[in-house]
Amino acid sequence: GAVVSQHPSRVICKSGTSVKIECRSLDFQATTMFWYRQFPKQSLMLMATSNEGSKATYEQGVEKDKFLINHASLTLSTLTVTSAHPEDSSFYICSARRATDTQYFGPGTRLTVL
Amino acid sequence: KQEVTQIPAALSVPEGENLVLNCSFTDSAIYNLQWFRQDPGKGLTSLLLIQSSQREQTSGRLNASLDKSSGRSTLYIAASQPGDSATYLCAVRPRGAGSYQLTFGKGTKLSVIP
Repeated sequence: GAVVSQHPSRVICKSGTSVKIECRSLDFQATTMFWYRQFPKQSLMLMATSNEGSKATYEQGVEKDKFLINHASLTLSTLTVTSAHPEDSSFYICSARRATDTQYFGPGTRLTVL
Repeated sequence: KQEVTQIPAALSVPEGENLVLNCSFTDSAIYNLQWFRQDPGKGLTSLLLIQSSQREQTSGRLNASLDKSSGRSTLYIAASQPGDSATYLCAVRPRGAGSYQLTFGKGTKLSVIP
C-alpha cells in the first residue's frame, strides 16, 4: 500500500519560533497534498490544499502568512508554522492524493508550543 | 456547508459483542464516504470507502452501509475484539470536479472490554 511519512513526529518549541513539518509520499507521486489540524477530542479540520508547483489554497479562517505551505515536488510538501504561539499547539496531519483519487494519511505531528 | 455528525461520541462494549457506529451528513451531494480508524496519537487508517452509487462495503468483520438520500452511514463491527479499541472517524468527499477535500466527523471512541 501507499505510504506517507511525516517528520518530525513530535516537536516542542518556544513561543515565537518557527517550526517546519515535512510530509512525504514515499512510493507514489502525489498530485495533491492536504494539511489538517486536529485539536483534542475534535475532528480533523482541513487547513489547506497544496498542488505541486502552485500556491496553496487555504480554508476560511486559516492565516496563510502564519501557516506557510510549500509543495516543491510531487513527493514533498512542507508546512511551516511561523511565530508559533501556545494556541497553535495541535496535531497536524497531512494526506497525499494519488492519481486514483485515494488519499493516504501520514502518521501526524504533535506540536507543543511552550 | 457540509456537516458530519457521529453518534455516539463514545461507546464501551464487552468483547464479542456486535456493534453499530453511526454517521450522518447534511449535504447528500457526496462523491464518496470513508470510514477511518485512529489510534491515540496516531494517523488515520482507512477501513472502508463507499462510492455514492454503492449501498455497502464489507471487509472482514466490518460492514459499512450508505443511505445517501437520508444522509446516513453506519459501520457495523461483528464480534468485537479488544484490538478494535480506537476512535472511528467517518468522512465525506463532496461531489464536484476537483473537489477532493474531506469533511470529517468528530469520531466515536470505542472501547472493547476483555
